[in-house]
Amino acid sequence: NAGVTQTPKFQVLKTGQSMTLQCAQDMNHEYMSWYRQDPGMGLRLIHYSVGAGITDQGEVPNGYNVSRSTTEDFPLRLLSAAPSQTSVYFCASSSSGRGQETQYFGPGTRLLVL
Amino acid sequence: QQQVKQSPQSLIVQKGGISIINCAYENTAFDYFPWYQQFPGKGPALLIAIRPDVSEKKEGRFTISFNKSAKQFSLHIMDSQPGDSATYFCAAGSGGFKTIFGAGTRLFVKA
Repeated sequence: NAGVTQTPKFQVLKTGQSMTLQCAQDMNHEYMSWYRQDPGMGLRLIHYSVGAGITDQGEVPNGYNVSRSTTEDFPLRLLSAAPSQTSVYFCASSSSGRGQETQYFGPGTRLLVL
Repeated sequence: QQQVKQSPQSLIVQKGGISIINCAYENTAFDYFPWYQQFPGKGPALLIAIRPDVSEKKEGRFTISFNKSAKQFSLHIMDSQPGDSATYFCAAGSGGFKTIFGAGTRLFVKA
């Protein structure tokens, strides 16, 4: 099993550009989520999905869009990149999303917005 | 309250010493308290977790101490090694709540 994979590993964008961060898992997990990691602020939940076709907002959803058309994939879209979105983005998955489960994280995407 | 407060922000320990990281939570509904370890350039990975029906859990050199009445829990790393240098996140969750992460502690173990 590859676990949770993310692409790209690193991306540089100009302000106003859009892009999609890819995330895939091969563990047949129902729950997938996106976090951003910033110094001193831990992991903040952006969006999450409890199954194909179902998504919801997390703590910091503004400027991001998600969709879940399959169990395996959960892409994160930046609609119009801003310097404040410079961060490291992690995708995670777990069996059902209940807070008592292990979350499996991908290796992250480092995003720099100029 | 959904916050999980973690301290210290950074920690330097000599090889062979004990590393201690503390966390506090507000919501008494939380009933699962994991610690995640993150190496540079990698995603976080589960290190050890505890449920509130026990006051301590030990796995090798890693121990979680849990104080339910004080709503606090801590990670102790015994005989700290340079390979333990990483960022550690505490977290709290329950069946009905999403996992909430602390801000993280950067640990550096000096050889």
